[in-house]
Amino acid sequence: EDQVTQSPEALRLQEGESSSLNCSYTVSGLRGLFWYRQDPGKGPEFLFTLYSAGEEKEKERLKATLTKKESFLHITAPKPEDSATYLCAVQAGGGSNYKLTFGKGTLLTVNP
Amino acid sequence: KAGVTQTPRYLIKTRGQQVTLSCSPISGHRSVSWYQQTPGQGLQFLFEYFSETQRNKGNFPGRFSGRQFSNSRSEMNVSTLELGDSALYLCASSTGLAGVKDTQYFGPGTRLTVL
Repeated sequence: EDQVTQSPEALRLQEGESSSLNCSYTVSGLRGLFWYRQDPGKGPEFLFTLYSAGEEKEKERLKATLTKKESFLHITAPKPEDSATYLCAVQAGGGSNYKLTFGKGTLLTVNP
Repeated sequence: KAGVTQTPRYLIKTRGQQVTLSCSPISGHRSVSWYQQTPGQGLQFLFEYFSETQRNKGNFPGRFSGRQFSNSRSEMNVSTLELGDSALYLCASSTGLAGVKDTQYFGPGTRLTVL
């Protein structure tokens, strides 16, 4: 069974204090790893897709990286508006299996 | 391009009732997936529809069902509601094409409360 574990569960940062969120996974045949951001009461907002080990993607203060067993979401000089829950999901298997398996998320709070 | 829309946004029902939720995907997307989100379990996959056919199903009881129409709009039905069905129900759409590196885009969700 596919498993996705995110750590830490919660993270408090001061504005400008860089850090990383971790997503480790155990799947059979990774097709893609996805990062989403979710604000309270809203649906997840797509951030990145990574497909193969060594791949990196950047968007503003966020950078996502992928290895064979885990992914990191690096947050550089965060601002209070970066406060949200960050979700990691994997899509695995072959054929017509397109379901996403999600981790429980990391709740990020950035204090001014 | 308009995003994924879900209606209604909020619902309050009592135990034993049934409920139908609706999802309109992004234009051109043929795959619609449904997820249940609760504080304890996180996001869990319910089922996926592609071209009016259920293509994948998660580990939920038969009380949870869905369908997709020819215009790719999808509905999800929950019969005989239980207190534990209270959750945020999320719909996601993607092109769903085989062999294509695809991304699922989520709607705002329907908050269901069962009393």
